[in-house]
Amino acid sequence: EVPLVESGGGLVQPGGSLRLSCAASGFTFRRTWMHWVRQAPGKGLVWVARISPDGGRREYADSVEGRFTISRDNDENTVDLQMNSLRAEDTAIYYCVRDNSYFDSWGQGTLVTVSS
Amino acid sequence: DFVMTQSPDSLAVSLGERATINCRSSQSVLYRFDNKNYLAWYQQKPGQPPKLLIYWASTRESGVPDRFSGSGSGTDFTLTISSLQPEDVAVYYCQQYYDSPKTFGQGTKVEIK
Repeated sequence: EVPLVESGGGLVQPGGSLRLSCAASGFTFRRTWMHWVRQAPGKGLVWVARISPDGGRREYADSVEGRFTISRDNDENTVDLQMNSLRAEDTAIYYCVRDNSYFDSWGQGTLVTVSS
Repeated sequence: DFVMTQSPDSLAVSLGERATINCRSSQSVLYRFDNKNYLAWYQQKPGQPPKLLIYWASTRESGVPDRFSGSGSGTDFTLTISSLQPEDVAVYYCQQYYDSPKTFGQGTKVEIK
């Protein structure tokens, strides 16, 4: 069973917006911190954002602060990433990740391409 | 933020030989109150998401072959593959989860010589 499934990636122009979603299953979602991690083509892993179990605490990487918003719905078991003012350097595979202190479950990822 | 530095960036090892990857943290990831090192290792094969291999610096995730082992404490850590197999070709990342943001090393690419 794959407990995390991302969707919403695609091609967007610079300055545009995109909303990613991650559907979770198979664990107690409402008790779990969730993260988004991205990986630019041919590059390493970079943490993007995280959200607390109740959604009251959200933290962002400096590179996306003010442009991206992480949110969650504990009734639907989903975590979203709203991405605004997108730049070419935001081009990457975006992974939804479960936090068990370490990152013990990763989705397959969704590709976001920012290009004109 | 914690800075994680891996060495080498890449290595080529013959099948059946040992592969060793190092990871250094800019600050200690040993939490004195539980005496645990907040350090994990991940394996990423081409076209796949990362997979957790080792946590608490030396605990293998369920299903991970025992040829993979982790060691170290404080700021210096090592991932060892005791006998390299073809399916071990991948990029390996260390990560500290002592503090947010939970930062990764830059990755080490392991290939067959």
